[in-house]
Amino acid sequence: DVKVTQSSRYLVKRTGEKVFLECVQDMDHENMFWYRQDPGLGLRLIYFSYDVKMKEKGDIPEGYSVSREKKERFSLILESASTNQTSMYLCASSFVGNSPLHFGNGTRLTVT
Amino acid sequence: GDSVTQMEGPVTLSEEAFLTINCTYTATGYPSLFWYVQYPGEGLQLLLKATKADDKGSNKGFEATYRKETTSFHLEKGSVQVSDSAVYFCAPLSDYKLSFGAGTTVTVRA
Repeated sequence: DVKVTQSSRYLVKRTGEKVFLECVQDMDHENMFWYRQDPGLGLRLIYFSYDVKMKEKGDIPEGYSVSREKKERFSLILESASTNQTSMYLCASSFVGNSPLHFGNGTRLTVT
Repeated sequence: GDSVTQMEGPVTLSEEAFLTINCTYTATGYPSLFWYVQYPGEGLQLLLKATKADDKGSNKGFEATYRKETTSFHLEKGSVQVSDSAVYFCAPLSDYKLSFGAGTTVTVRA
């Protein structure tokens, strides 16, 4: 089975802090994704990557950046956390092209 | 990009009742279609999929048929169980990416 592991289940950070969310997948998948999930809004795509060192903006990239230095790892960075970034963050990966996405269990981030 | 309209919840049912969750989408081209399920405290799991018109995806007693003419992918289950309580997401996949609706929360009571 594909395993997508997010490093933290819960995080509490202060406004203005730099925050790193880490995601690792163990199935040699080409594509990796970061979504945020908010009540009533479903999941919205922040960034995705289809290859090492490649990244593409999703629907809501403002206030975020990403890093993919190795194929198995995709990091989401909040340069200066704000309270409106309090959310559930979900990482996902997929093999190639239009393959199904496999999700991690999520990181619930609270910014105070 | 693609967009999804899902039946609004929450939906509350008794065990053994019939469940339908409506889903319609707009997309350029011919996306693959997915239903994902999220159990409390967990990430999303793939429930079923269909990759072309008239395909029927099925899993765990759930079914959905890719209706190209109506751009719909409604989810059905004939007899729900308490363990089916979860949030269900319809999602078209195109250009490598999934687009999600707001999700439908389903609660099944014993």
